[in-house]
Amino acid sequence: EIVLTQSPGTLSLSPGERATLSCRASQSVSSSYLAWYQQKPGQAPRLLIYGASSRATGIPDRFSGSGSGTDFTLTISRLEPEDFAVYYCQQYGSSALTFGGGTKVEIK
Amino acid sequence: EVQLVESGGGLVQPGGSLRLSCAASGFTFSSYWMHWVRQAPGKGLVWVSRINSDGSSTSYADSVKGRFTISRDNAKNTLYLQMNSLRAEDTAVYYCARGRGLRGYFDLWGRGTLVTVSS
Repeated sequence: EIVLTQSPGTLSLSPGERATLSCRASQSVSSSYLAWYQQKPGQAPRLLIYGASSRATGIPDRFSGSGSGTDFTLTISRLEPEDFAVYYCQQYGSSALTFGGGTKVEIK
Repeated sequence: EVQLVESGGGLVQPGGSLRLSCAASGFTFSSYWMHWVRQAPGKGLVWVSRINSDGSSTSYADSVKGRFTISRDNAKNTLYLQMNSLRAEDTAVYYCARGRGLRGYFDLWGRGTLVTVSS
């Protein structure tokens, strides 16, 4: 099973700032089969990024994904008030699908 | 409207059983692999199970293998999760999700249904 470790656990930033979230895999994620989700309290997760860097339908271009192998990054270029939430990475390159533990982006 | 709506959650005693349902609408259900993902209170997301588009192939997380069974009825546009021998650690919100890509990332989620296992 591929273990995904997200860091930091919590990111305290102000609106307008840049957020950089990390997701590190215990072994290489084949073909960059990595996705990112946003989850707000009481809501289901929402797909942001798939294939490490492709934005899902309707996702603003301030969200971008990068990386390959074992190191992946989600960047939010300028935080909007609605971006404060928990973010999860997920790999789908191996049969046992796994998620990272999440990064909470909170208002500083 | 494209949506997934789960139902069937509730309070059940340890060792008991429960069947969750997920009604799909607004898209061609029979064309997609489907998944169940759960989230314990205050915790992260955990993949539970998946089923291919015609129901002929299934896969499970080790934590539920032998206790949970995923199935689907494409005529009714409905996904199911039969949960037996439930344990306290199965307490979670259960989401159904539409799968895309190899093995699956999730581009459409239901709102979830809460399962509480407690005496």
